[in-house]
This record gives sequence, C-alpha cells and structure tokens, in this order.
Amino acid sequence: NAGVTQTPKFQVLKTGQSMTLQCAQDMNHNSMYWYRQDPGMGLRLIYYSASEGTTDKGEVPNGYNVSRLNKREFSLRLESAAPSQTSVYFCASTLTGRAFFGQGTRLTVV
Amino acid sequence: GENVEQHPSTLSVQEGDSAVIKCTYSDSASNYFPWYKQELGKRPQLIIDIRSNVGEKKDQRIAVTLNKTAKHFSLHITETQPEDSAVYFCAAPSNFGNEKLTFGTGTRLTIIP
Repeated sequence: NAGVTQTPKFQVLKTGQSMTLQCAQDMNHNSMYWYRQDPGMGLRLIYYSASEGTTDKGEVPNGYNVSRLNKREFSLRLESAAPSQTSVYFCASTLTGRAFFGQGTRLTVV
Repeated sequence: GENVEQHPSTLSVQEGDSAVIKCTYSDSASNYFPWYKQELGKRPQLIIDIRSNVGEKKDQRIAVTLNKTAKHFSLHITETQPEDSAVYFCAAPSNFGNEKLTFGTGTRLTIIP
C-alpha cells in the first residue's frame, strides 16, 4: 500500500516547454486534488476531481490542465511553462475529508 | 465556497510552553475540521481532526476544539518540544459530498529551546 505516489520529484523546464505531472493513489479514494505551494506560502488548489470523469477548477487553474484517467490516476499538465509556475506541486486524495498527500514535485521553470 | 482564515502566521514559544493556533471558516454546512503538520521539505500530514458532533478531541499533547456557533476551531499543543517546530495548516471541506478542501494559510511554529 503505497498511498499517493507522484512523479517526478524534481524537474527543471525551460520557458515554453510542456510537461505532465503524474499522480496515482491505491486507496480507492474518489476525490483527488492538485495543489501548488510557493515558498513560505500555503496550499493553493489548482484543480480537483470529485470522481472519475469529473474535474473542476480551483483557486489558481490558469496555465494548467488535468485529466482524471481513472479512479487511481490524476495528472496535471503544463502546456507552456512560465517562470511564475515555479513551485512545489502536491497531489492529494481524500476519504471522508482526510487528505493524504504525495511527496511533492519541485518544479523550476527557467 | 469555503473561506478559511488562520492566525497567527508565525508563532514562537519557549520549549515546554503551550501553543494555540486558530482558524475561522465561513460555510456553516462544514462538518469536518482537520489539522495538518508540514515539516521542512516534507509533505503535509494529518495530525488530528474533529467532526462537528463533538466540541473537543485530544490525542496526547495535541487537542482540537470546535465552536460551531462562532465558526472557529483551534489547535492546542501542550508541553511543546523542538520536534513540534513546523508549519501547521487547518482545513475545512466546503461540501462534504465533494470533499473539496480549503486550507488556511498556515502557521509557522518555532519552539525555542
């Protein structure tokens, strides 16, 4: 039982490049989330998915897209990376409100 | 949607003293209130939570209290230790069916030896 697994752990992109952050959970949770955390800041919701096949925008969705491929997987895509997207990204899933987080992806856009 | 406010943003306490962090929420339908601890460079982890049918919950040195009338809940850490130094986040779900979580802005707690 691995919980929530995110890949990659670290990534450096050039401005304009694209990439997909992968997230998978093996706890059979319905809800999954993507957050970003800037240095010294809180967790800001990018997108969330209440169930397979549904996604909704959070607080800061601009510049991102998501795919809820199945119940286990929820990916986050940056189509054209910008320096403002430099951050730590956390995937999470919830059961009855209790959130379990992945280990995070530290993304730097240069 | 839910609006969660957390205070203070930073807190320094002497080792052995108590620390209290407070959060207020806006959605009166919210009925679940967790607290997360994030150590430097790590992921947030749940440390305690409370549901709206109780007013207080305790787990060793940590406790959470809830005032549904005033729409606020608090984290209490007693007999603080250096390993309690971390950032603490409160959260509230805006819709229990969706479980969409809104987090507070975090409190950086520093324990002074």
